This record gives sequence, C-alpha cells and structure tokens, in this order.
Amino acid sequence: GAGVSQSPSNKVTEKGKDVELRCDPISGHTALYWYRQRLGQGLEFLIYFQGNSAPDKSGLPSDRFSAERTGESVSTLTIQRTQQEDSAVYLCASSLALAGAAGELFFGEGSRLTVL
Amino acid sequence: GDSVTQMEGPVTLSEEAFLTINCTYTATGYPSLFWYVQYPGEGLQLLLKATKADDKGSNKGFEATYRKETTSFHLEKGSVQVSDSAVYFCALSATGGSYIPTFGRGTSLIVHP
Repeated sequence: GAGVSQSPSNKVTEKGKDVELRCDPISGHTALYWYRQRLGQGLEFLIYFQGNSAPDKSGLPSDRFSAERTGESVSTLTIQRTQQEDSAVYLCASSLALAGAAGELFFGEGSRLTVL
Repeated sequence: GDSVTQMEGPVTLSEEAFLTINCTYTATGYPSLFWYVQYPGEGLQLLLKATKADDKGSNKGFEATYRKETTSFHLEKGSVQVSDSAVYFCALSATGGSYIPTFGRGTSLIVHP
C-alpha cells in the first residue's frame, strides 16, 4: 500500500484477554518501530525491528508484551492478559534502514486499545 | 537518558496570529531534531527537521532553528490558518546510540476563523 497500515483501528477488550495488533509497513522499509501513547503523554518507545531482527527490546513494559516480524514486512504486537493500564494508542512507524538519525519515520494512524 | 519537553497545550489562536510552540531537549552527543504533525484522523508526518546546530528547518510556512546553546528547537509560524489545527510533536534522534527517535508529549493547536 501507499502508507503504513495498522489494524484494528479500535479495539475494546476485557481485562485478562489477549490482543494482537498488526502493522503493515511501507514496502521496502526495513526498519519498523512500535510506540505507545497513553492519554496526555508522549510517545513511549516499545520495540524496533531491523529486518526481522529486534536488537532492542528494552522498551517493552513487561513480559506480557511481545512482537514479531516476518518476511521484513508485517509485524504483530501481542499483549497477553491485558490490564487497564495497557489502554493507549499503539503507533507503528517504518523507515528506510535506520533512518532515525536524520531521516524520516512514516507512521500509521494507530490502534486505539481500550481495556475494560 | 534523552528527553524532549514541549509546552503544554492546547494552544488556541485566531487565524493569522503568530505561533510559537516551545521545545527543549536533553541528549548526549549531537542529536538531529524534528517536528512531526498529526492532523485529525491521520498518522504523524514529518513537518521539518534540522541535523546540526544553527540549521533552520522549514516547511509549509513553519520554521524551527536548532539552538545548541539553549538546547531548543522552537516551532514558529508567522500567520496560522485554520488548516494548521493539529497536534505537533517535537522529537530528537541522538547520535552514538540506536537512532531511535524520542518524542515529546505533543502540543495541540486550535486555530479559530
């Protein structure tokens, strides 16, 4: 597609359930990033992929969070046993290689997660 | 660690008013600095950037100058339009690290006709 695509755009779930959030980056972009934005707060870095590899997982808030990327394309962020504090907008971005230094991230519209 | 501090919003202005959104940063090394904008219902998109001290980034009438001495990257526009209503995010990407951009909280701008 032309841009970064995320699904679902909105997800309401009950506490304790597992959720999967999907990100489809721009074709050819080898770097993929996940951020979280809680209400009234900045973007919190979660994890990034360079190709299929995730060199830095230090941003994942707990072991309930995991992410994978296959075929240098689609990535899935999984949250197990969701808690109310997981409620946030989850943003995915992609870039050409490690473009963060002076390059540009291309963002999806985000997946809004509400945990009841 | 690296951090970005933005002025709190919302900022409410009338059309054609002058805009300043303050941004200061803390970083090791010599970061690149960015402003991203998020229009309603859309994803964040790059507005402008500066990669070294005293550089000025500009786009769509917006400007920001990389001030190393004050560790600032304030966003300005001389005459805002209703269509500029959006959330603006300041960000940095530090050298010597993994280049993962660090973002501020975002500042909401509301422009009235």
